Amino acid sequence: KQEVTQIPAALSVPEGENLVLNCSFTDSAIYNLQWFRQDPGKGLTSLLLIQSSQREQTSGRLNASLDKSSGRSTLYIAASQPGDSATYLCAAGSTYNFNKFYFGSGTKLNVKP
Amino acid sequence: NAGVTQTPKFRVLKTGQSMTLLCAQDMNHEYMYWYRQDPGMGLRLIHYSVGEGTTAKGEVPDGYNVSRLKKQNFLLGLESAAPSQTSVYFCASTRQGPSYEQYFGPGTRLTVT
Repeated sequence: KQEVTQIPAALSVPEGENLVLNCSFTDSAIYNLQWFRQDPGKGLTSLLLIQSSQREQTSGRLNASLDKSSGRSTLYIAASQPGDSATYLCAAGSTYNFNKFYFGSGTKLNVKP
Repeated sequence: NAGVTQTPKFRVLKTGQSMTLLCAQDMNHEYMYWYRQDPGMGLRLIHYSVGEGTTAKGEVPDGYNVSRLKKQNFLLGLESAAPSQTSVYFCASTRQGPSYEQYFGPGTRLTVT
């Protein structure tokens, strides 16, 4: 069974810093990898979706990379802002069952003004 | 567009009571999902549907039933609630499967006493 891990569970950085969030998965046979943002008491908002054939995706200050061979994905946030404070989750789509996504527990990010 | 909506937002049940959670989407999406989110465990898939009139089991289906009588609605039922079903429930939809990003509802916080 696919296991998705996100370390650290929490991260606190000063405003303006560039940062990297990590996502590891145990089975490299993934269909895609999706990054989400979750604000307290809210649902998940999709940030970036990387297909298995892609190496990275970019949206504004966000860049997500995917390395299937090493079982890793990273989310890079440039010039962090207090508004970036949220929990970030990654989810790996299964090749064996296209309707199953395996979620990590998330990294709670706090950007201090 | 309202996107994905969920009803109710909060609910408290006594053990043994039943209830139905409603998910509605106005994006004409084919695929719909029900997840539960528990602290430290990420999101786990309960049931999903790949189109009107279809349903299938996810990772943790026991104690839940679902129905998709209309394309825009996906209902999650608890026939006899148990304290272990205390959780936050999220509904999600995608246009046509895992190649597309998932859109999430705001969640339903359920407490079973």
